Amino acid sequence: DSGVTQTPKHLITATGQRVTLRCSPRSGDLSVYWYQQSLDQGLQFLIQYYNGEERAKGNILERFSAQQFPDLHSELNLSSLELGDSALYFCASSRRQGMGTNEKLFFGSGTQLSVL
Amino acid sequence: AQRVTQPEKLLSVFKGAPVELKCNYSYSGSPELFWYVQYSRQRLQLLLRHISRESIKGFTADLNKGETSFHLKKPFAQEEDSAMYYCALSVPNAGNMLTFGGGTRLMVKP
Repeated sequence: DSGVTQTPKHLITATGQRVTLRCSPRSGDLSVYWYQQSLDQGLQFLIQYYNGEERAKGNILERFSAQQFPDLHSELNLSSLELGDSALYFCASSRRQGMGTNEKLFFGSGTQLSVL
Repeated sequence: AQRVTQPEKLLSVFKGAPVELKCNYSYSGSPELFWYVQYSRQRLQLLLRHISRESIKGFTADLNKGETSFHLKKPFAQEEDSAMYYCALSVPNAGNMLTFGGGTRLMVKP
């Protein structure tokens, strides 16, 4: 168990809908990262938050947004869902902002999103 | 922009055979390279990182800056090595997020 918790584990919804994925980082970790894993795109970095502030942005669509709350948990909001958004969404956390020499990234078990 | 390429989507070997999972990267500076593993129905976990120069579960990886490669090797594959392997790169001044390769599924047959 990495200590990173993601809920829900599975989510089935319809096109056009909006969903929220939740991530609780390991105790003491300030950075949260969101990744999308799909069959055709592989693992794609979406966005990173550090201590409540956005730090880095990757291939995140405008229909997607995220935030990190004062208790450090993070939510990824996906709206106007399309079939192609079906994927496994991973959250990861690390102690600090950057991947320093001894920094480790701990992954959650993911949320499997199926858009029908 | 940085890029990580894993040319093989699937690698199938017999137990006891040597394994080499290929990883090439493109980045003009000095990145940090990682290998992550994802066993069936489990979360991604760090296998090793080049800066540690360690051997985990019999796996090693050497960073070759001339060839911009970071291939993962194991002399004798075990059935429990069957998993999805991802090579990843971290760039110091770009938020330090990880850029992953497309992954290679390793199947070790008995």
